[in-house]
Amino acid sequence: EIVLTQSPGTLSLSPGERVTLSCRASQSVSSKFLVWYQQKPGQAPRLLIYAASSRATGIPDRFSGSGSGTDFTLTINRLEPEDFAVYYCQQYGTSPSFGQGTKLEIK
Amino acid sequence: QVQLQESGPGLVKPSETLSLTCTVSGGSFSSYFWTWIRQPAGKGLEWIGRIHSSGSTNYNPSLKSRVTMSVDTSKSQFSLKLSSVTAADTAVYYCARVVVKPSERRYYFDSWGQGTLVTVSS
Repeated sequence: EIVLTQSPGTLSLSPGERVTLSCRASQSVSSKFLVWYQQKPGQAPRLLIYAASSRATGIPDRFSGSGSGTDFTLTINRLEPEDFAVYYCQQYGTSPSFGQGTKLEIK
Repeated sequence: QVQLQESGPGLVKPSETLSLTCTVSGGSFSSYFWTWIRQPAGKGLEWIGRIHSSGSTNYNPSLKSRVTMSVDTSKSQFSLKLSSVTAADTAVYYCARVVVKPSERRYYFDSWGQGTLVTVSS
């Protein structure tokens, strides 16, 4: 089983700032299988990034993903008020798994 | 645009079987994988398993002994059964569509239901 560890657990930032979220895998993950989701309270997760760096339809270009092997990152440039949420990374393999999430809160 | 809706009892007694159904509308059902994910209150997401419209399945190894998924293509529905539940199975259960397009490097859950809370309690 591949374990994904996200860091930090919580981040307090202000609108307009830039943030980088980390997702580390316990073993190498093909970049084509690395996905990022955003979840707001009371809502289902929303697809942001697939194949480590491809934005899903309708996702603003301030969101970008990168990484390979065991280390992946999600970067959000110029935070907007609606970006404050929980972010999950996921690997889609034989047995998909999610990271524990990073909560982005308004400072 | 495809829509998914979970349905089933919101309260299940310990040791009994949790049963949920996901109804898909507004899009094709065949040739897709469909999946269940759960989320305990205030916690992260846990993948439960997936089923293809043909009926083939893959389950999370940690839940495999208690999980059964099935599909009814005539109704565009797929179902989850989780046996011998305990309080630890209390969670919001989501169903979602799985996109798998190797030629485009697309492997993800793109459409989700709103989620349904299932509480395990006597």
